[in-house]
Amino acid sequence: DTGVSQDPRHKITKRGQNVTFRCDPISEHNRLYWYRQTLGQGPEFLTYFQNEAQLEKSRLLSDRFSAERPKGSFSTLEIQRTEQGDSAMYLCASSSGQASGNTIYFGEGSWLTVV
Amino acid sequence: AQSVAQPEDQVNVAEGNPLTVKCTYSVSGNPYLFWYVQYPNRGLQFLLKYITGDNLVKGSYGFEAEFNKSQTSFHLKKPSALVSDSALYFCAVRGIFGSSNTGKLIFGQGTTLQVKP
Repeated sequence: DTGVSQDPRHKITKRGQNVTFRCDPISEHNRLYWYRQTLGQGPEFLTYFQNEAQLEKSRLLSDRFSAERPKGSFSTLEIQRTEQGDSAMYLCASSSGQASGNTIYFGEGSWLTVV
Repeated sequence: AQSVAQPEDQVNVAEGNPLTVKCTYSVSGNPYLFWYVQYPNRGLQFLLKYITGDNLVKGSYGFEAEFNKSQTSFHLKKPSALVSDSALYFCAVRGIFGSSNTGKLIFGQGTTLQVKP
């Protein structure tokens, strides 16, 4: 169990540029979540995958955001035409199975700073 | 709609004293409750969870939490605080999987725990 891995850990980009974050979940975890966390706030749900299917998207996920999980393993979160308000930590998490009692494990997060 | 409230932005406690970080929840049906800890510039680490059974749940690093259904609370506790416990603590509730629920976690705003030597 190597844990949830996220890359890059830190990204500084200019406003208007596109950025992509990658998440490798715990091996064989079929459920994958993306969250966003701003300073002083709790994580906010963005989107959810079960295997390769994206089953839920928050209204926080504007048209500039897109997430994929093409083979049901790793996932990418792309932000197009970044804005200063996108500056936040983007957290990926994964869990196994169907039971709601299963623990969701988080990665170390990817910090985005838009300048 | 499910929600979680952490009424205290910050809790201060002296090292060696007991600590309590409060959490109340609102959910239809049986709650699935979690506590996570976050150190500066790090992700969230799982501490413990309540699914069913004994109302007192024991978790990592000596933490425990007490589920109280009548008060809809799930307070985090530790008998003797350490300076290294200083961090940001999040309570979360998880929805039950179903046609309209993906089992995502809903988090409170977080409580900063400051343990002073």
